[in-house]
Amino acid sequence: EDKVVQSPLSLVVHEGDTVTLNCSYEVTNFRSLLWYKQEKKAPTFLFMLTSSGIEKKSGRLSSILDKKELFSILNITATQTGDSAVYLCAGSTSGTYKYIFGTGTRLKVLA
Amino acid sequence: SAVISQKPSRDICQRGTSLTIQCQVDSQVTMMFWYRQQPGQSLTLIATANQGSEATYESGFVIDKFPISRPNLTFSTLTVSNMSPEDSSIYLCSVAGDGTDTQYFGPGTRLTVL
Repeated sequence: EDKVVQSPLSLVVHEGDTVTLNCSYEVTNFRSLLWYKQEKKAPTFLFMLTSSGIEKKSGRLSSILDKKELFSILNITATQTGDSAVYLCAGSTSGTYKYIFGTGTRLKVLA
Repeated sequence: SAVISQKPSRDICQRGTSLTIQCQVDSQVTMMFWYRQQPGQSLTLIATANQGSEATYESGFVIDKFPISRPNLTFSTLTVSNMSPEDSSIYLCSVAGDGTDTQYFGPGTRLTVL
């Protein structure tokens, strides 16, 4: 059965800290790994990763995929209170557009 | 990315009733999807809304409980039928364009069933 596992489940840090969120996956006919930020209801797209070893970066956020180890990480440097959210990763399946979501990491950044 | 709206934003309903959620996109999109997120859980795909044909449902979801319409390439509805408290969830529509694997989500509908 396809699954995506995220760790840690929750994390509390102080502003300025750097955090690393983990995502491991077992997805049949894997196509890509996606990261989303969910603050209230709607997940907001962050990154899509399809190739191993190529870092994607947007401001203080970056992510990388390891297709050999079936693993991805999301890094956030110099965290701010606005980074507080649930971070979701999802694996997509080739040919179906179907996403398998992990349960998310709840990040709380304290001022 | 497309601008997606959903109505209603939230609702509180009595058990045994039905609620129809609307999803409107500001441009034509090939793929539209409906997800459910139960409290404390992650997103689960309910179905793919197909334009001009019946929706494709995931395991555990049936048309009688979650009928879906997709009359054109910019609009879809999801109905939650004969609701019970277990249907209390956030319901989200998402869209993806041709040739892209990235889905963008609507603002969601928070449903509470009493």
